[in-house]
Amino acid sequence: DVKVTQSSRYLVKRTGEKVFLECVQDMDHENMFWYRQDPGLGLRLIYFSYDVKMKEKGDIPEGYSVSREKKERFSLILESASTNQTSMYLCASTAGWQPQHFGDGTRLSIL
Amino acid sequence: QQPVQSPQAVILREGEDAVINCSSSKALYSVHWYRQKHGEAPVFLMILLKGGEQKGHDKISASFNEKKQQSSLYLTASQLSYSGTYFCGTAYTQGGSEKLVFGKGTKLTVNP
Repeated sequence: DVKVTQSSRYLVKRTGEKVFLECVQDMDHENMFWYRQDPGLGLRLIYFSYDVKMKEKGDIPEGYSVSREKKERFSLILESASTNQTSMYLCASTAGWQPQHFGDGTRLSIL
Repeated sequence: QQPVQSPQAVILREGEDAVINCSSSKALYSVHWYRQKHGEAPVFLMILLKGGEQKGHDKISASFNEKKQQSSLYLTASQLSYSGTYFCGTAYTQGGSEKLVFGKGTKLTVNP
């Protein structure tokens, strides 16, 4: 079974802090994704990566950056956290056009 | 370019049927369907590819009409376990890779 592990289920940070969300997958997938999920808005793509050190902006990249130094790990970075970034963050991985496998999510609160 | 899902919410009694629709303003290459139960990660249900192929998964099936740029998810004889939010994702190529754009979701509640 594919396992996508997000480092924290719940995280509380303060406005202006630099925040790192980590995601690790164990299936050697080339594609990895970061989404945020807000009530009534569905899953919105922030960034994705199709190879080590490669990244593509998704639909809502503003205020975020990503890092992929190793194939199995994809990090989402909030450079200077703001309250409007309070949300559920979901990581996913896949190979090609295969189904995406999601982590359990990180519920991030910015105070 | 976010696909539009309808209805936004539906409430059923166990054993009833439901249809969830997903439409896009752009040409579709494939449509993915996921279900998310409260507090859990989205779980893959099925992928539909170009060609109008209909797929099934237990008593859940789906169709894909690429000409109309629509897909529909059919839930037959619903069970309590079908409750959750259903998302369709439409696939696009960007930067040499593939991404999904998800709809806002349809919340399905199945009552006894």
